[in-house]
Amino acid sequence: GAGVSQSPRYKVAKRGQDVALRCDPISGHVSLFWYQQALGQGPEFLTYFQNEAQLDKSGLPSDRFFAERPEGSVSTLKIQRTQQEDSAVYLCASSPQRRDTYNEQFFGPGTRLTVL
Amino acid sequence: RKEVEQDPGPFNVPEGATVAFNCTYSNSASQSFFWYRQDCRKEPKLLMSVYSSGNEDGRFTAQLNRASQYISLLIRDSKLSDSATYLCVVNSDAGNMLTFGGGTRLMVKP
Repeated sequence: GAGVSQSPRYKVAKRGQDVALRCDPISGHVSLFWYQQALGQGPEFLTYFQNEAQLDKSGLPSDRFFAERPEGSVSTLKIQRTQQEDSAVYLCASSPQRRDTYNEQFFGPGTRLTVL
Repeated sequence: RKEVEQDPGPFNVPEGATVAFNCTYSNSASQSFFWYRQDCRKEPKLLMSVYSSGNEDGRFTAQLNRASQYISLLIRDSKLSDSATYLCVVNSDAGNMLTFGGGTRLMVKP
């Protein structure tokens, strides 16, 4: 079946520009996560949704970062007034809802954002 | 200090060699532990979960030491296709966020 998809795959933005990154999770997956991966580093947690509810946004680095998942499926990560330090790969992951055990997270291919 | 620490490498080994990676984590409340594999410019993919009793999947063996807060991955009979970055990953709350180490890069050479 289809995995997690993200678009665009690559985005080049001028400093100060707003960008929107899209994630289509695996159909039926309740949980959705966004991670940021800088070059040569491991992914770092940004935010987490369960259905349409944003349950944790503790990893968002500043108030320029905003995420939404209005219908509990597709999610958008928006970055306002981009800065060079925002250059990274933004990974989306989804997982099914099973309360009794850890839910494996399935990652999308990521969006590589370069801010000039 | 990072919550999950790994030696970044690179580990350069010949085909057929045995190689071991280690990882330490700082949050004693961590509940679940994993090794993920990430190929260059690709997304991370789950390699295996890690249990206190130790677990094996083919050429791969993972071990968890809760007392020392230490996780290991052993790869036997390395293949060229094993070349990748191996990410040590910890989960502190079922169903919630993953905390990744910085990754250990492995290069297997002919």
